[in-house]
Amino acid sequence: QKEVEQNSGPLSVPEGAIASLNCTYSDRGSQSFFWYRQYSGKSPELIMFIYSNGDKEDGRFTAQLNKASQYVSLLIRDSQPSDSATYLCAVGRVNTDKLIFGTGTRLQVFP
Amino acid sequence: GAVVSQHPSWVICKSGTSVKIECRSLDFQATTMFWYRQFPKQSLMLMATSNEGSKATYEQGVEKDKFLINHASLTLSTLTVTSAHPEDSSFYICRMTSGRSSYEQYFGPGTRLTVT
Repeated sequence: QKEVEQNSGPLSVPEGAIASLNCTYSDRGSQSFFWYRQYSGKSPELIMFIYSNGDKEDGRFTAQLNKASQYVSLLIRDSQPSDSATYLCAVGRVNTDKLIFGTGTRLQVFP
Repeated sequence: GAVVSQHPSWVICKSGTSVKIECRSLDFQATTMFWYRQFPKQSLMLMATSNEGSKATYEQGVEKDKFLINHASLTLSTLTVTSAHPEDSSFYICRMTSGRSSYEQYFGPGTRLTVT
């Protein structure tokens, strides 16, 4: 079992729709959860992070965390073609900046 | 956010030669540096972690004598791929953190290495 799992996609959504990206992790000691966006040929950019169960919103993005189910998700509202990229989920333990990355989900937003 | 540079951005070298990749922060002091490798359509694989002035800690399966890491200062870390082979061709990315906040973490733009 991989430490951090994501569906590779592609996930195709129409412009203006909500894109839902999911991630599961195996280490129950995980304390920090990050979402990154990576365009082809570029390095990842931090979108947001979440530490506590529940929802955290930042603009069009909402991260959702359920530690009991070992599940974290990212919702993108009003998806735009410019959101088309690979979204990486990363998980870390307490008191460390070391992160384990999932393989990423490719999102395609079509006009 | 901070400005992090990597040099070179891409390099082509012959098998058996060594390549040095620099990761430099212009306005951020990194207590910890992470080096990742990413093969096409795969995720980032952590190679090693280094703290300024200390020896790097390598992940299982990563040869420390092949991938030399030097974290010389709070703003500079280098990764040297020694005796490169075609299977070392990959996208190498550094990540810097301050240890103070989850916001204070920055990826370098990456270095595309092709070994012929």
